[in-house]
Amino acid sequence: IAGITQAPTSQILAAGRRMTLRCTQDMRHNAMYWYRQDLGLGLRLIHYSNTAGTTGKGEVPDGYSVSRANTDDFPLTLASAVPSQTSVYFCASSPGTGNSPLHFGNGTRLTVT
Amino acid sequence: GQNIDQPTEMTATEGAIVQINCTYQTSGFNGLFWYQQHAGEAPTFLSYNVLDGLEEKGRFSSFLSRSKGYSYLLLKELQMKDSASYLCAVMDSNYQLIWGAGTKLIIKP
Repeated sequence: IAGITQAPTSQILAAGRRMTLRCTQDMRHNAMYWYRQDLGLGLRLIHYSNTAGTTGKGEVPDGYSVSRANTDDFPLTLASAVPSQTSVYFCASSPGTGNSPLHFGNGTRLTVT
Repeated sequence: GQNIDQPTEMTATEGAIVQINCTYQTSGFNGLFWYQQHAGEAPTFLSYNVLDGLEEKGRFSSFLSRSKGYSYLLLKELQMKDSASYLCAVMDSNYQLIWGAGTKLIIKP
């Protein structure tokens, strides 16, 4: 089934540890995004990639890094996790044109203790 | 700054009609999206408006007034499965999506 796969589904992480959230899509979409969703707030963009080999910073990039080595994969890395990074993380993709809707993965629920 | 406002929570009765409003103030406008998000799940696309007027898609309709910075999502013949959060998002002049916090819709029998 075509779509976006995120892993892990959930994770409890000790503060200071490094963690990579995985995201893979099989729709050959050019654009990919990482969002975090916190209670009472709208989705906030962390990083994005308009095409393989390029990445950009979103609204809340600090403490996170991404890479886009190929079209399908867009991992998000927390170099040294802090409790404020406790959130639900969604990966999304789109063909890249302006009015194309986003397709979201099922999310990763991350708790940093 | 850029801002999207939606009611935090609404309650409606099964079989009824509900209107969820969204007002926005953004740097430019390149379209407005509505997404549905069931608890614990991913958002899924419902509708897109870029021109003024009403877009109808089955039981769901979405309206846009660009001059007023206003949109609404209309849900008819409500079903229990429509209990979810509804997210309004505006694409600004840089083609970046600005998201509202979402409206949690509770459907009662």
